Amino acid sequence: GQQVMQIPQYQHVQEGEDFTTYCNSSTTLSNIQWYKQRPGGHPVFLIQLVKSGEVKKQKRLTFQFGEAKKNSSLHITATQTTDVGTYFCAGRGSGGSNYKLTFGKGTLLTVNP
Amino acid sequence: DVKVTQSSRYLVKRTGEKVFLECVQDMDHENMFWYRQDPGLGLRLIYFSYDVKMKEKGDIPEGYSVSREKKERFSLILESASTNQTSMYLCASRELDNSPLHFGNGTRLTVT
Repeated sequence: GQQVMQIPQYQHVQEGEDFTTYCNSSTTLSNIQWYKQRPGGHPVFLIQLVKSGEVKKQKRLTFQFGEAKKNSSLHITATQTTDVGTYFCAGRGSGGSNYKLTFGKGTLLTVNP
Repeated sequence: DVKVTQSSRYLVKRTGEKVFLECVQDMDHENMFWYRQDPGLGLRLIYFSYDVKMKEKGDIPEGYSVSREKKERFSLILESASTNQTSMYLCASRELDNSPLHFGNGTRLTVT
């Protein structure tokens, strides 16, 4: 079945440093979504990428979808303490059981002020 | 704003008990999902429903069943709770296949 690998599992940074998390799928994806879960909270949708090579920005966050639509990344520039949380990618397969999102295991980001 | 409400924030049950976890969404969404979240394992899909009375197994359905008698309500049932079902359970809904998921606040279930 479809697998989505996400690295790193943990990342600790100093406030102001950059942060990147990567997702790789075993199969081609039709789209990929990114979610953020604050400590004690529930996952909240950030963005969806659909097109090959797509890049989207939300303030200090930059999301990329690979040309082959099998990998994606989230980059945060100049982290702030408000960025703390677990970031999940979730990929949707491009055929067959395409109702299902497969989540990566997440990257827990902690920021030292 | 979409609201997904899970009936309990915390539950403690005994091994062998039948457990019901309830989820209600207020946006007339077609699709509803049940995930469990465990440290180091991320979110794993238990069951999902794409319409009333319709259900599909996810990746880890063993030991669980679901019920969707009304569009707004999706129930997860643990027929005979076991300690390995101690976990955070998250319900989610979405409008269409490509829409984002909206999650509830989660139910932390402890089985003793």
